[in-house]
Amino acid sequence: AQSVAQPEDQVNVAEGNPLTVKCTYSVSGNPYLFWYVQYPNRGLQFLLKYITGDNLVKGSYGFEAEFNKSQTSFHLKKPSALVSDSALYFCAVRDPRGGYQKVTFGTGTKLQVIP
Amino acid sequence: KAGVTQTPRYLIKTRGQQVTLSCSPISGHRSVSWYQQTPGQGLQFLFEYFSETQRNKGNFPGRFSGRQFSNSRSEMNVSTLELGDSALYLCASGYGRDYNEQFFGPGTRLTVL
Repeated sequence: AQSVAQPEDQVNVAEGNPLTVKCTYSVSGNPYLFWYVQYPNRGLQFLLKYITGDNLVKGSYGFEAEFNKSQTSFHLKKPSALVSDSALYFCAVRDPRGGYQKVTFGTGTKLQVIP
Repeated sequence: KAGVTQTPRYLIKTRGQQVTLSCSPISGHRSVSWYQQTPGQGLQFLFEYFSETQRNKGNFPGRFSGRQFSNSRSEMNVSTLELGDSALYLCASGYGRDYNEQFFGPGTRLTVL
């Protein structure tokens, strides 16, 4: 069974500092990994995904994520945080083996960027 | 392209009633998924439809059902509402390949009194 963990309920970072939101996954094979962001009273927005290839994936709004197979991690990063980055971030995983599988989402990490 | 639309945006019902939520996907998308989001349980997968067929189902009781029409629009129905059904219900559409990302609507906020 596939699963994903976001170990931090909340991450606080000062504006201008680099930010990292952690995600680890459990999938038998090679996973498809996704990051989404949710602003208050809104649906989720897609940020980036890893399917195959380069382990460093670049996405929207200056975000990037690094796929690390040995550590089964897919941490979200940004070199310089903005106050407008404050939101709820979700990591998601899908196992591409065994037919079409549903997406499993993490519990979410609230990012607070402090001015 | 217009985004995913969900109607209604807000709904208040009482226990025992039933409710139908609607989702219109992005044009060209054939996959529609439904999720329940609550502060305690996070984002829980309900079901996914692709070309009018249910392709995946989450662990929800039979009171939760859905369907998809030939134009890819989808409806979700909850019968015999319980207080615990109060949540934000999110619809997401996509092209339907397992490597495709999903596009979410703004959600329907359901309150059961």
